[in-house]
Amino acid sequence: AQKITQTQPGMFVQEKEAVTLDCTYDTSDPSYGLFWYKQPSSGEMIFLIYQGSYDQQNATEGRYSLNFQKARKSANLVISASQLGDSAMYFCAMTGPNAGGTSYGKLTFGQGTILTVHP
Amino acid sequence: DAGVIQSPRHEVTEMGQEVTLRCKPISGHDYLFWYRQTMMRGLELLIYFNNNVPIDDSGMPEDRFSAKMPNASFSTLKIQPSEPRDSAVYFCASSLAGLVTQHFGDGTRLSIL
Repeated sequence: AQKITQTQPGMFVQEKEAVTLDCTYDTSDPSYGLFWYKQPSSGEMIFLIYQGSYDQQNATEGRYSLNFQKARKSANLVISASQLGDSAMYFCAMTGPNAGGTSYGKLTFGQGTILTVHP
Repeated sequence: DAGVIQSPRHEVTEMGQEVTLRCKPISGHDYLFWYRQTMMRGLELLIYFNNNVPIDDSGMPEDRFSAKMPNASFSTLKIQPSEPRDSAVYFCASSLAGLVTQHFGDGTRLSIL
């Protein structure tokens, strides 16, 4: 079974500073995907970034980057130059094997980290 | 492009009533997922479809819950009879096979009194 652990219930960061949100995972599948989603107070789930288990380079999307350390089974999200609008709940999630596998597409979520950006 | 569309956005009803949640996936997406979010259990997958066929419903809590996907552009999640413990935010998401990323709707906030 897959498991995602986010050990930081809450994090605080000063505006314009960088922040790292931790995520560790556990799976016996050699092929998997790792995701980060943002959930602002309005409630919607916003996709931020994706990392495939076979990707050689860390994923980046604008101010978001994923620090993927496969041996340590960690997939931390780094937000650079934090903005007030980054204040939200952040979820780490993973899927199972590629299309055709029985667990394809099943997103397993962590418990989330609430990020608060101070002016 | 239109995203995943869910309706209603909010639903308040009394215990014992039937509740129907609706979802329109992104056009062309062949996977559709229903999730439930609660404070106690976080986000959990209830059921998902591929090409309108249910693939895994192991997350459906009990027989009171049912989901259908009569065509590629519409799905329903039904609770009958509803109970206060069903109060949660229900999300629908869709994805395109091979691209893995799931796109979520805005959710339906359900309150059972």
